[in-house]
Amino acid sequence: GQSLEQPSEVTAVEGAIVQINCTYQTSGFYGLSWYQQHDGGAPTFLSYNALDGLEETGRFSSFLSRSDSYGYLLLQELQMKDSASYFCAVRRGENNFNKFYFGSGTKLNVKP
Amino acid sequence: DAGVIQSPRHEVTEMGQEVTLRCKPISGHDYLFWYRQTMMRGLELLIYFNNNVPIDDSGMPEDRFSAKMPNASFSTLKIQPSEPRDSAVYFCASSPKTGQGDGNTIYFGEGSWLTVV
Repeated sequence: GQSLEQPSEVTAVEGAIVQINCTYQTSGFYGLSWYQQHDGGAPTFLSYNALDGLEETGRFSSFLSRSDSYGYLLLQELQMKDSASYFCAVRRGENNFNKFYFGSGTKLNVKP
Repeated sequence: DAGVIQSPRHEVTEMGQEVTLRCKPISGHDYLFWYRQTMMRGLELLIYFNNNVPIDDSGMPEDRFSAKMPNASFSTLKIQPSEPRDSAVYFCASSPKTGQGDGNTIYFGEGSWLTVV
């Protein structure tokens, strides 16, 4: 099986930096993804890390440490539109097939 | 491409009725996933297909749930009979083959919001 843990809720102010952590336990680990979901919407892909280190995409960065089974999503220069739920997801490989399992999500509240 | 297309977007049905949710994946994608999202259980993987073949249905909650993928452009998730606890958002998603450009990305449809009363 697998398990992912992330905080349920985070609050930050506009313009600030926020880090959302994710710890996981799984077999057949290939990589860690992050998805954003606005209320009433569908999850949308943000980033994927297969190797250790930091990946930067604009205001968003994602980090992975395979040895620690840990990753985080870093959001800089927060904007009101960043208020959403953020999910980490592990990609597991089983018999050459992909499976993606999601954490319970972190609700980010950005305040003015 | 129009993205993953799901129907219906919203459905309200009475307990005991059959519910059929439909999905058209992105053309050329090899994988198709069905997820269920609730406040209590988050995003649960129900079943996934590779090249139209069901690979793992271990997430399907009960025999009342079934899924098919008769061809590369269509899949259904059926609940028969439906129960109030099945109320949730059901997402269909697709993904390219591993190793292709964005093979690590899942593309979600807008979801089917199911309410069973």
